Amino acid sequence: NAGVTQTPKFQVLKTGQSMTLQCAQDMNHNSMYWYRQDPGMGLRLIYYSASEGTTDKGEVPNGYNVSRLNKREFSLRLESAAPSQTSVYFCASSEARASYTFGSGTRLTVV
Amino acid sequence: QQQVKQSPQSLIVQKGGISIINCAYENTAFDYFPWYQQFPGKGPALLIAIRPDVSEKKEGRFTISFNKSAKQFSLHIMDSQPGDSATYFCAASRGNTPLVFGKGTRLSVIA
Repeated sequence: NAGVTQTPKFQVLKTGQSMTLQCAQDMNHNSMYWYRQDPGMGLRLIYYSASEGTTDKGEVPNGYNVSRLNKREFSLRLESAAPSQTSVYFCASSEARASYTFGSGTRLTVV
Repeated sequence: QQQVKQSPQSLIVQKGGISIINCAYENTAFDYFPWYQQFPGKGPALLIAIRPDVSEKKEGRFTISFNKSAKQFSLHIMDSQPGDSATYFCAASRGNTPLVFGKGTRLSVIA
């Protein structure tokens, strides 16, 4: 009963480095999301995928790319990390309007 | 433009007291209003949700009050307990679009 699994849990990057955050869900949900959480800013949507094969930009997509690899997996890529991307990243999945299931997050620091 | 405005940012309540968190929204097309609870180091989890055809929904000690004409909704936690200490997020969505979250309220329940 894993739900939504995110890897890695922690990461430190140097400015300009690239990395991919991985997310997988085992609930057969159609929709998946990437949010970032910053102090005092709440949860802001980066990208989402309403179904396998589709992706759409959210509120703060600049500097990120995503891939919906299959129904289970939705990855978030930072091509050239910047200090402004220091944040906690959450992946979530849902079935239509139902409750979102969130992963436990990836804490990313860009120095 | 912030679509969902949440207040207060932080709240301290005595054990046994009532915690009240408020949210206001702009988009009258929103038709789903959930509240999420987040403990430190964890992802948010659905607490309770309401649709605009009802004015109140209660689940145990948690109640959502909804005022459609004022475009406001609030979370009431009765008999607040130390275990309720967490960050609470209100959110809203229309149709199958992704949730838009408020900035969060950090609740501390002290004995």
